[in-house]
Amino acid sequence: DTGVSQDPRHKITKRGQNVTFRCDPISEHNRLYWYRQTLGQGPEFLTYFQNEAQLEKSRLLSDRFSAERPKGSFSTLEIQRTEQGDSAMYLCASSLQGDTEAFFGQGTRLTVV
Amino acid sequence: GQNIDQPTEMTATEGAIVQINCTYQTSGFNGLFWYQQHAGEAPTFLSYNVLDGLEEKGRFSSFLSRSKGYSYLLLKELQMKDSASYLCAMNDYKLSFGAGTTVTVRA
Repeated sequence: DTGVSQDPRHKITKRGQNVTFRCDPISEHNRLYWYRQTLGQGPEFLTYFQNEAQLEKSRLLSDRFSAERPKGSFSTLEIQRTEQGDSAMYLCASSLQGDTEAFFGQGTRLTVV
Repeated sequence: GQNIDQPTEMTATEGAIVQINCTYQTSGFNGLFWYQQHAGEAPTFLSYNVLDGLEEKGRFSSFLSRSKGYSYLLLKELQMKDSASYLCAMNDYKLSFGAGTTVTVRA
């Protein structure tokens, strides 16, 4: 296993389109996190899973965002009706437990035009 | 809720020492992480403090005072490759990050 994998690495989409990103965590990692990061800012928490259960979703997140982790392994993040303000780097991270270090994927850079 | 504060930028000379402070407020706290992020790359783990005190790991050390809601990352013998953003993150049942401190190391 080579670490957290995210796909695609880059996505350009037109405003109003739906996009879906995938994250494959490190095997046997129970925790999976999604973040959004813009230039000059730290990662902004979006949501996280403990196995297949989504334990928390940011209150800042609109209903256009949804995430799943159906079998407790890979996860998907979907953004519906994209807006220009959604342009950012979307980072996924996984950890063995909640009190161990999280490993990050290389991210998916979304550009909404 | 939670709030994390750290300085936006710091500049230091190669070979010097820099201390990056982080203060936090949260209703639930299980520890504090420090991550390093080079431009265009993903964050990488540096340290994790659960109990009060200093954790030393090579050139990098991290300190935590839970009663004061305060942590710092100490970078010694600075090298050019240490130029990066340093992120303070609370383990508050999820993982909440500060905005990061951009450290520039000059020759």
